[in-house]
Parts: sequence; C-alpha cells; structure tokens
Amino acid sequence: SQQGEEDPQALSIQEGENATMNCSYKTSINNLQWYRQNSGRGLVHLILIRSNEREKHSGRLRVTLDTSKKSSSLLITASRAADTASYFCATAPNFGNEKLTFGTGTRLTIIP
Amino acid sequence: EPEVTQTPSHQVTQMGQEVILRCVPISNHLYFYWYRQILGQKVEFLVSFYNNEISEKSEIFDDQFSVERPDGSNFTLKIRSTKLEDSAMYFCASRDSRSSYGYTFGSGTRLTVV
Repeated sequence: SQQGEEDPQALSIQEGENATMNCSYKTSINNLQWYRQNSGRGLVHLILIRSNEREKHSGRLRVTLDTSKKSSSLLITASRAADTASYFCATAPNFGNEKLTFGTGTRLTIIP
Repeated sequence: EPEVTQTPSHQVTQMGQEVILRCVPISNHLYFYWYRQILGQKVEFLVSFYNNEISEKSEIFDDQFSVERPDGSNFTLKIRSTKLEDSAMYFCASRDSRSSYGYTFGSGTRLTVV
C-alpha cells in the first residue's frame, strides 16, 4: 500500500452516530494531520498529532496515533449533516520542509 | 481568521498555452507550497518554497513548471506549455515556522486544459 491509505474509502452513517476513519502509512513521520474537503473545495485543516503523542481531541474530533503500527484513526462523534465531506490524512516526514503526503481519503456521508 | 487566497478560482486554457496561478499566503508565514489534485485522485505535492527559493520539488514539477514570489506577498505557479494532463485542482498552502500547526490551504484553482 502507499503512504497514507485511508479506510474505508466510503462511509455512510445516520446523523448522530459516530464516524471512524483509519489511516495507515509506511515511513517514519514527524506528525500526522487530518484534513476535510467539501466537494470541489479546498482543504481544511482539522487536527495535527505529533509522533510523540498518542491521542488528541478537538471538539467532536478525536485522533489517535499508533506509531508502532503506523496507523491513525479519526473519530467524529455525534455526526451532523454538515460533516459530509471527504477526509484525508497527511503525513509530514522527520526531515526537510514538512511536505505532506496525502492519503486516498474517506468519503463520509451523513444521512439526516 | 487569516486565509490563503487563490485566483482565479477556475481557469480554462488551450493546450500549449502558458498559465499563471496566483496565491496570496498568510502574511507572517514562511513556508509556501503548491499541491495539485487530479479529479478523483490524491492530493500530490508539487513544490515547497522557503527563503525565496525552492527547497524541494516532486517529479511532477518538471521544467514546464516554475514558482515565484515576486513582491513579498504573492506566490505564483507558472505552467509554460500546458498539457491535457495538467488539468487538475491546484492548491497553494502556507505555514509558519512552528511545526505544531498544520498548513493553511487556499480554496484552489481549477485548471482545465482543452
């Protein structure tokens, strides 16, 4: 698999339920970031977790990072229709200018 | 909240023509980037720019591409002779020197080469 692979590729849940998306990567990282993209629009930074952190919260978002498994998860609690979007993980390496390597994305649909 | 501004939002150009995509990064940011996303595909890194020079570029960023920061506020991506496969969404991004924070991306320019 390539650096930054999300699963599932698509997820549909009822409004109010929790949504969990996973990301796997291959190389060592400085940090891992999650972004949201509404259809045809720009990327919105959601949350950054550093390689020495295991869990981070921001509002309804919870991100975990397991560097031993090279994986991360994004949990959105109490989902809303406005959460419908594509979600991407992106990794920044330990060196260089922190160019991001993006995953393939999870398309999340919240059903009202 | 500070924003990265990109213009135009959509550009259609003939194959072989030159295009310039423009970006105004956040004023106190030091690192600037261009990424692109072909429809339905991953977001791909093109180039990073720091201290008025390219710091890293991908294989995609060949001799047809160039970047400039002509006046201390604008950051441009030029494609000299566009090809059909250059059709994509192009995103500009910037970040400050603190690695604890993510990037701020612009809303993108959709380039269509016909």
